[in-house]
Amino acid sequence: EDKVVQSPLSLVVHEGDTVTLNCSYEVTNFRSLLWYKQEKKAPTFLFMLTSSGIEKKSGRLSSILDKKELFSILNITATQTGDSAVYLCAVPNFGNEKLTFGTGTRLTIIP
Amino acid sequence: DSGVTQTPKHLITATGQRVTLRCSPRSGDLSVYWYQQSLDQGLQFLIHYYNGEERAKGNILERFSAQQFPDLHSELNLSSLELGDSALYFCASSVVPLVGDTEAFFGQGTRLTVV
Repeated sequence: EDKVVQSPLSLVVHEGDTVTLNCSYEVTNFRSLLWYKQEKKAPTFLFMLTSSGIEKKSGRLSSILDKKELFSILNITATQTGDSAVYLCAVPNFGNEKLTFGTGTRLTIIP
Repeated sequence: DSGVTQTPKHLITATGQRVTLRCSPRSGDLSVYWYQQSLDQGLQFLIHYYNGEERAKGNILERFSAQQFPDLHSELNLSSLELGDSALYFCASSVVPLVGDTEAFFGQGTRLTVV
């Protein structure tokens, strides 16, 4: 069965710090890995990664995929209180056509 | 706003009752997914419909059922409710089935509380 593991489970940092969130996966027929941010309710899409070593960037957030070692990292630089959220990693399964999610990393930014 | 609409936002009901959750996907999206998120667990896949047909089932209880209508909106029916069914229920939609080429967009969820 597909497996997605995120670490750490929880992270508390001060505003301005840089954080790195980890996601490792085991999935058959890997095609891509997705990152979502979940604040109060709906997960919102951040990145889709398909190729190893190519960084995707959006403002202070960036992410990269390593298909050989089966993991991805999400970096957030110069964190702000608005970055406080649960960050979810997910992989689609080609056969089941569904997203398998990790349990998430709860990030708390202290002013 | 993702474009996916779920109603109601909140639902409080008693054990043994039946409820229906509704989802309208983004315009043009043919795939609808239902997920359950409990306090201690991540997002658990329930079921996927594509253009009116059931495509995949996850760990969905027999007391739960879903359908997708010709106008592509979907309903998730939960019956004989138990306290443990209390959770956030999310609907997500995508243009095509999630085989790795596209992302899914989530609705705001329905918070179900069974008392």
